[in-house]
Amino acid sequence: DQQVKQNSPSLSVQEGRISILNCDYTNSMFDYFLWYKKYPAEGPTFLISISSIKDKNEDGRFTVFLNKSAKHLSLHIVPSQPGDSAVYFCASRYGQNFVFGPGTRLSVLP
Amino acid sequence: DAGVIQSPRHEVTEMGQEVTLRCKPISGHDYLFWYRQTMMRGLELLIYFNNNVPIDDSGMPEDRFSAKMPNASFSTLKIQPSEPRDSAVYFCASRPTGSYGYTFGSGTRLTVV
Repeated sequence: DQQVKQNSPSLSVQEGRISILNCDYTNSMFDYFLWYKKYPAEGPTFLISISSIKDKNEDGRFTVFLNKSAKHLSLHIVPSQPGDSAVYFCASRYGQNFVFGPGTRLSVLP
Repeated sequence: DAGVIQSPRHEVTEMGQEVTLRCKPISGHDYLFWYRQTMMRGLELLIYFNNNVPIDDSGMPEDRFSAKMPNASFSTLKIQPSEPRDSAVYFCASRPTGSYGYTFGSGTRLTVV
């Protein structure tokens, strides 16, 4: 039973447009959330995070939104660039470690 | 800072053989995690250590898997005997106390034939 779900295994977006990646979680005790980006043959790298006391966190082109009542978070990338093409994992904090979703492969088309 | 170092990068082995994956965490990071990535399940936590002590190994799939951390700068994940369904990318990650962000290694791609 996956506690963190990313229901879209893949997403294609045109360069310059907005990319929206979604993540749902089931455990209301999760209190911290992160997004990681992974390129082929590399380990995941930290992208952006949000605490459960906030509903939005922004860092340049990346914004994460958290809707606690819906147990849903999303990552917005504006504008999308070809270099953003990667697999994106969302993760929710559980104790001392994080539970990761299965990932969404984003392809930004030039 | 060389980051989290994993070896080997690729491992191809025959079913039934023993496989040992290695990880050197970032100096000063007192948490170390072993994850496995598969197409079906994404990133799964196998085990994590705090100050070299295993804290949660509930993600280790079977007794064929074992992990050790003899000191703060080295950890191993061993599979004995290996099976084709163990084929995956295995990641090691570390973080210091008080930080939420992990630093991942580049992973070991294991293929069991």
